[in-house]
Amino acid sequence: GAGVSQSPSNKVTEKGKDVELRCDPISGHTALYWYRQSLGQGLEFLIYFQGNSAPDKSGLPSDRFSAERTGGSVSTLTIQRTQQEDSAVYLCASSPYSGRAYEQYFGPGTRLTVT
Amino acid sequence: KNEVEQSPQNLTAQEGEFITINCSYSVGISALHWLQQHPGGGIVSLFMLSSGKKKHGRLIATINIQEKHSSLHITASHPRDSAVYICAVSSGETSGSRLTFGEGTQLTVNP
Repeated sequence: GAGVSQSPSNKVTEKGKDVELRCDPISGHTALYWYRQSLGQGLEFLIYFQGNSAPDKSGLPSDRFSAERTGGSVSTLTIQRTQQEDSAVYLCASSPYSGRAYEQYFGPGTRLTVT
Repeated sequence: KNEVEQSPQNLTAQEGEFITINCSYSVGISALHWLQQHPGGGIVSLFMLSSGKKKHGRLIATINIQEKHSSLHITASHPRDSAVYICAVSSGETSGSRLTFGEGTQLTVNP
């Protein structure tokens, strides 16, 4: 079946502009995660959605970052007034359940470059 | 100190060699994950384990919960094994299975 998809695959934007990144999880997966991988740094957690519950936003680096998940499926990560330090690969992952430990399936990522 | 530490950061091996990558963690976990990331590619989950040992083909993952340590072994390494290997943990203390990652180990296997 189809895996996790993300769009766009690459995005170049000017500093100060807003960007939207999209994630389509695997059908039926109730848990969805956003992570970020900055150049020269490891992966870091951004936000987590589980069904209709309030999302865990504890990893968002600033209030310029927001995310939503519509209908328990597609998710959009929005970065307002982009800064150069926002340049990174943004990865989405989904898992069938949101329990304590389940395998996560990663999308190919969106490479964001802020000039 | 990072909650998840990997060693070595970089590893170069000759084809056929036995490879070990180590991971130590300092928090309570519900599971430990080994992930593989090829250059320009996405991330693939290799193993998720909470105790003992798992094997898949030439890959073996072990975990010692008491010592908070895990190892990933690759037997009869091949150039196609060249990738970044990432250790990650699900703490289970907060939301779902959110992962905390190690810095990754860059493996290069030469023919």
